[in-house]
Amino acid sequence: ELKVEQNPLFLSMQEGKNYTIYCNYSTTSDRLYWYRQDPGKSLESLFVLLSNGAVKQEGRLMASLDTKARLSTLHITAAVHDLSATYFCAVDMARETSGSRLTFGEGTQLTVNP
Amino acid sequence: DVKVTQSSRYLVKRTGEKVFLECVQDMDHENMFWYRQDPGLGLRLIYFSYDVKMKEKGDIPEGYSVSREKKERFSLILESASTNQTSMYLCASSFAGRAPREQFFGPGTRLTVL
Repeated sequence: ELKVEQNPLFLSMQEGKNYTIYCNYSTTSDRLYWYRQDPGKSLESLFVLLSNGAVKQEGRLMASLDTKARLSTLHITAAVHDLSATYFCAVDMARETSGSRLTFGEGTQLTVNP
Repeated sequence: DVKVTQSSRYLVKRTGEKVFLECVQDMDHENMFWYRQDPGLGLRLIYFSYDVKMKEKGDIPEGYSVSREKKERFSLILESASTNQTSMYLCASSFAGRAPREQFFGPGTRLTVL
């Protein structure tokens, strides 16, 4: 059974600081997604990582994937209040017949304080 | 833009009632998914469908059934609602096939069973 673990689960940081969220998973996969969820809202796709060594950046967020270590990271640079949200990683156990099937981590609730 | 809509944002039902949650997508996606989201547990897959009238159990199908009579519509059914089914329910859709496909999420239905 695939397990996906994120840490930390709760993160309170100051504006301007850097931090990294970690996503570990238990089974071989070369496809991983990061999503953002604002309170009371649905999930919004942030990054799609498709191969070992993949790195994607959007604004102050950068995601990477190491399939050998079964680890993805989401790095936050110079945090701003607007980044406050819950971040989920999801591992894709794609199947030949039916396409992707995601297993989600527990989520990391990020609060950026002024 | 992909649009996934869910029939209700908030729903209150009584124990033993039959509950229908409806999801509609407008992007001609083959795959549709139902998740429930609970604090500390992330998102857990209940059922998914990769074609009309086709369905597969996810990780927590007990107490639920689904129906997909048309490509754009996927219904989640609670035959006899129980209090432990109080949760946020999220619908998602994606294209099929091996090519990594993002899942796009609806706004969610917060169901309370009294």
